[in-house]
Amino acid sequence: GAGVSQSPSNKVTEKGKDVELRCDPISGHTALYWYRQSLGQGLEFLIYFQGNSAPDKSGLPSDRFSAERTGGSVSTLTIQRTQQEDSAVYLCASSSLGSGGTDTQYFGPGTRLTVL
Amino acid sequence: GDSVTQMEGPVTLSEEAFLTINCTYTATGYPSLFWYVQYPGEGLQLLLKATKADDKGSNKGFEATYRKETTSFHLEKGSVQVSDSAVYFCALKLAGTSYGKLTFGQGTILTVHP
Repeated sequence: GAGVSQSPSNKVTEKGKDVELRCDPISGHTALYWYRQSLGQGLEFLIYFQGNSAPDKSGLPSDRFSAERTGGSVSTLTIQRTQQEDSAVYLCASSSLGSGGTDTQYFGPGTRLTVL
Repeated sequence: GDSVTQMEGPVTLSEEAFLTINCTYTATGYPSLFWYVQYPGEGLQLLLKATKADDKGSNKGFEATYRKETTSFHLEKGSVQVSDSAVYFCALKLAGTSYGKLTFGQGTILTVHP
Protein backbone atom coordinates (compact mmCIF):
# COMPACT_ATOMS: atom_id res chain seq x y z
CA GLY A 1 0.00 0.00 0.00
CA ALA A 2 0.98 3.68 -0.16
CA GLY A 3 3.50 4.96 2.31
CA VAL A 4 3.80 8.33 4.00
CA SER A 5 4.00 11.13 1.49
CA GLN A 6 5.26 14.66 1.98
CA SER A 7 5.11 17.79 -0.12
CA PRO A 8 6.87 19.66 -1.40
CA SER A 9 10.02 17.55 -1.65
CA ASN A 10 12.12 20.70 -1.79
CA LYS A 11 11.36 24.25 -0.69
CA VAL A 12 13.59 27.27 -1.06
CA THR A 13 12.41 30.42 0.64
CA GLU A 14 13.70 33.80 1.68
CA LYS A 15 14.36 34.71 5.26
CA GLY A 16 11.25 36.15 6.88
CA LYS A 17 8.73 34.32 4.68
CA ASP A 18 6.21 31.78 5.98
CA VAL A 19 6.22 28.18 4.73
CA GLU A 20 3.80 25.27 4.95
CA LEU A 21 4.88 21.66 4.78
CA ARG A 22 2.37 18.89 4.23
CA CYS A 23 2.24 15.27 5.35
CA ASP A 24 -0.13 12.52 4.20
CA PRO A 25 0.11 9.58 6.60
CA ILE A 26 -0.54 5.94 5.87
CA SER A 27 -4.29 5.35 5.76
CA GLY A 28 -5.66 4.24 9.11
CA HIS A 29 -2.67 5.36 11.16
CA THR A 30 -3.92 7.38 14.12
CA ALA A 31 -0.53 8.67 15.23
CA LEU A 32 1.54 11.20 13.29
CA TYR A 33 4.92 12.66 14.14
CA TRP A 34 7.09 15.49 12.84
CA TYR A 35 10.89 15.42 13.16
CA ARG A 36 13.68 17.63 11.86
CA GLN A 37 17.02 16.40 10.53
CA SER A 38 19.88 18.86 10.35
CA LEU A 39 23.65 18.57 10.21
CA GLY A 40 24.26 20.27 13.50
CA GLN A 41 21.42 18.78 15.56
CA GLY A 42 20.84 15.33 14.09
CA LEU A 43 17.29 13.98 14.22
CA GLU A 44 15.03 15.96 16.55
CA PHE A 45 11.41 15.35 17.52
CA LEU A 46 9.07 18.28 16.97
CA ILE A 47 5.45 17.27 17.64
CA TYR A 48 3.19 14.20 17.95
CA PHE A 49 -0.48 13.93 17.02
CA GLN A 50 -2.97 11.31 18.14
CA GLY A 51 -5.99 11.87 15.96
CA ASN A 52 -6.38 15.63 15.67
CA SER A 53 -4.91 16.51 19.05
CA ALA A 54 -1.26 16.99 19.96
CA PRO A 55 -0.43 15.39 23.31
CA ASP A 56 3.26 16.21 22.91
CA LYS A 57 4.50 19.37 21.25
CA SER A 58 7.56 19.67 23.44
CA GLY A 59 10.00 19.65 20.53
CA LEU A 60 8.75 22.74 18.72
CA PRO A 61 11.76 25.07 18.89
CA SER A 62 9.90 28.38 19.04
CA ASP A 63 6.46 29.93 18.69
CA ARG A 64 7.20 30.47 15.00
CA PHE A 65 6.52 26.75 14.56
CA SER A 66 3.00 25.35 14.61
CA ALA A 67 1.25 22.29 13.28
CA GLU A 68 -2.25 21.05 12.82
CA ARG A 69 -3.95 17.87 11.75
CA THR A 70 -7.42 17.68 10.33
CA GLY A 71 -9.78 14.76 9.89
CA GLY A 72 -7.30 12.52 11.64
CA SER A 73 -5.31 12.42 8.44
CA VAL A 74 -3.31 15.16 6.70
CA SER A 75 -1.02 17.35 8.78
CA THR A 76 0.54 20.71 8.02
CA LEU A 77 3.65 22.10 9.69
CA THR A 78 3.87 25.89 9.42
CA ILE A 79 6.99 27.93 10.03
CA GLN A 80 6.44 31.67 10.26
CA ARG A 81 9.10 34.30 9.60
CA THR A 82 11.64 31.69 8.58
CA GLN A 83 15.24 32.02 9.71
CA GLN A 84 18.38 30.51 8.21
CA GLU A 85 18.70 28.13 11.15
CA ASP A 86 15.35 26.61 10.11
CA SER A 87 17.08 25.06 7.08
CA ALA A 88 16.79 21.28 7.50
CA VAL A 89 14.99 18.21 6.24
CA TYR A 90 11.55 17.95 7.86
CA LEU A 91 10.40 14.37 8.27
CA CYS A 92 6.92 13.08 8.94
CA ALA A 93 6.11 9.64 10.29
CA SER A 94 2.89 7.81 10.99
CA SER A 95 2.36 4.71 13.06
CA SER A 96 0.14 1.94 14.26
CA LEU A 97 0.43 -0.41 17.22
CA GLY A 98 2.39 -3.54 16.53
CA SER A 99 3.95 -6.44 18.37
CA GLY A 100 5.15 -5.78 21.88
CA GLY A 101 2.48 -3.14 22.43
CA THR A 102 4.54 -0.37 20.93
CA ASP A 103 4.02 1.51 17.70
CA THR A 104 6.30 1.32 14.69
CA GLN A 105 6.88 4.62 12.97
CA TYR A 106 7.05 4.74 9.17
CA PHE A 107 8.78 7.75 7.72
CA GLY A 108 8.10 9.80 4.64
CA PRO A 109 10.83 10.98 2.25
CA GLY A 110 11.03 14.41 3.89
CA THR A 111 10.87 18.02 2.75
CA ARG A 112 14.21 19.75 2.33
CA LEU A 113 13.80 23.37 3.42
CA THR A 114 16.43 25.93 2.50
CA VAL A 115 16.14 29.45 3.88
CA LEU A 116 18.26 31.97 2.01
CA GLY B 1 16.82 13.01 30.16
CA ASP B 2 16.72 10.07 27.79
CA SER B 3 19.56 9.82 25.33
CA VAL B 4 21.21 7.50 22.82
CA THR B 5 24.92 7.36 22.07
CA GLN B 6 26.29 5.70 18.94
CA MET B 7 29.86 4.90 18.08
CA GLU B 8 31.71 7.58 16.22
CA GLY B 9 31.79 7.20 12.49
CA PRO B 10 32.31 7.01 9.67
CA VAL B 11 32.90 3.28 9.43
CA THR B 12 34.60 1.92 6.32
CA LEU B 13 34.71 -1.81 5.63
CA SER B 14 35.50 -4.18 2.81
CA GLU B 15 32.77 -6.41 1.44
CA GLU B 16 32.17 -9.56 3.52
CA ALA B 17 33.70 -8.02 6.65
CA PHE B 18 32.01 -8.27 10.05
CA LEU B 19 30.11 -5.18 11.18
CA THR B 20 29.45 -3.87 14.67
CA ILE B 21 27.94 -0.47 15.37
CA ASN B 22 27.76 0.24 19.08
CA CYS B 23 24.72 1.85 20.67
CA THR B 24 24.16 2.59 24.35
CA TYR B 25 21.28 4.40 25.97
CA THR B 26 20.27 6.29 29.08
CA ALA B 27 16.61 6.03 30.05
CA THR B 28 14.25 5.36 32.92
CA GLY B 29 13.02 1.80 33.00
CA TYR B 30 13.19 -0.38 29.92
CA PRO B 31 12.51 1.56 26.74
CA SER B 32 11.78 0.05 23.34
CA LEU B 33 14.85 0.11 21.09
CA PHE B 34 15.12 0.51 17.33
CA TRP B 35 17.62 0.61 14.49
CA TYR B 36 16.68 2.71 11.48
CA VAL B 37 18.63 2.90 8.21
CA GLN B 38 18.82 5.72 5.68
CA TYR B 39 20.12 4.70 2.26
CA PRO B 40 21.56 7.42 0.01
CA GLY B 41 18.78 9.64 -1.30
CA GLU B 42 16.06 7.74 0.55
CA GLY B 43 14.01 8.16 3.70
CA LEU B 44 14.40 6.48 7.08
CA GLN B 45 13.43 2.83 7.16
CA LEU B 46 12.95 0.64 10.21
CA LEU B 47 15.62 -2.06 10.21
CA LEU B 48 14.79 -3.92 13.42
CA LYS B 49 13.45 -3.42 16.92
CA ALA B 50 13.29 -4.98 20.39
CA THR B 51 10.72 -4.13 23.03
CA LYS B 52 12.01 -5.91 26.13
CA ALA B 53 15.24 -7.03 27.72
CA ASP B 54 17.04 -9.97 26.05
CA ASP B 55 14.90 -9.64 22.91
CA LYS B 56 16.84 -10.01 19.67
CA GLY B 57 15.70 -8.06 16.64
CA SER B 58 16.80 -9.26 13.23
CA ASN B 59 16.27 -8.33 9.59
CA LYS B 60 18.24 -8.57 6.32
CA GLY B 61 21.10 -10.36 8.09
CA PHE B 62 21.39 -7.64 10.75
CA GLU B 63 20.91 -8.45 14.43
CA ALA B 64 20.78 -6.53 17.70
CA THR B 65 20.16 -7.81 21.23
CA TYR B 66 18.59 -5.70 23.98
CA ARG B 67 21.05 -5.89 26.90
CA LYS B 68 19.64 -4.25 30.03
CA GLU B 69 22.74 -4.95 32.12
CA THR B 70 24.91 -2.89 29.79
CA THR B 71 22.09 -0.63 28.50
CA SER B 72 23.15 -1.47 24.96
CA PHE B 73 21.67 -2.43 21.62
CA HIS B 74 24.65 -3.02 19.33
CA LEU B 75 24.00 -3.67 15.63
CA GLU B 76 25.86 -6.58 14.00
CA LYS B 77 26.08 -8.22 10.62
CA GLY B 78 28.31 -11.14 9.78
CA SER B 79 29.14 -10.25 6.19
CA VAL B 80 28.42 -6.79 4.82
CA GLN B 81 27.70 -5.96 1.21
CA VAL B 82 28.27 -2.81 -0.81
CA SER B 83 24.50 -2.31 -0.76
CA ASP B 84 24.60 -1.93 3.05
CA SER B 85 26.33 1.44 2.66
CA ALA B 86 24.01 3.85 4.46
CA VAL B 87 23.55 5.87 7.64
CA TYR B 88 22.39 3.84 10.64
CA PHE B 89 20.46 5.37 13.53
CA CYS B 90 19.83 3.84 16.92
CA ALA B 91 16.69 5.10 18.70
CA LEU B 92 14.63 4.57 21.83
CA LYS B 93 11.06 5.12 22.91
CA LEU B 94 10.11 5.62 26.54
CA ALA B 95 9.16 2.64 28.63
CA GLY B 96 5.48 2.05 29.19
CA THR B 97 4.31 4.05 26.21
CA SER B 98 2.43 2.60 23.28
CA TYR B 99 2.88 5.78 21.25
CA GLY B 100 5.48 8.47 21.66
CA LYS B 101 8.48 10.21 20.23
CA LEU B 102 11.69 8.50 19.22
CA THR B 103 14.98 9.76 20.61
CA PHE B 104 17.75 9.16 18.08
CA GLY B 105 21.48 8.76 18.26
CA GLN B 106 23.65 10.90 16.04
CA GLY B 107 23.87 8.32 13.26
CA THR B 108 26.78 6.27 11.96
CA ILE B 109 27.83 6.44 8.33
CA LEU B 110 28.80 3.04 6.93
CA THR B 111 30.69 2.71 3.65
CA VAL B 112 31.39 -0.75 2.24
CA HIS B 113 33.96 -1.10 -0.54
CA PRO B 114 34.03 -3.98 -3.05
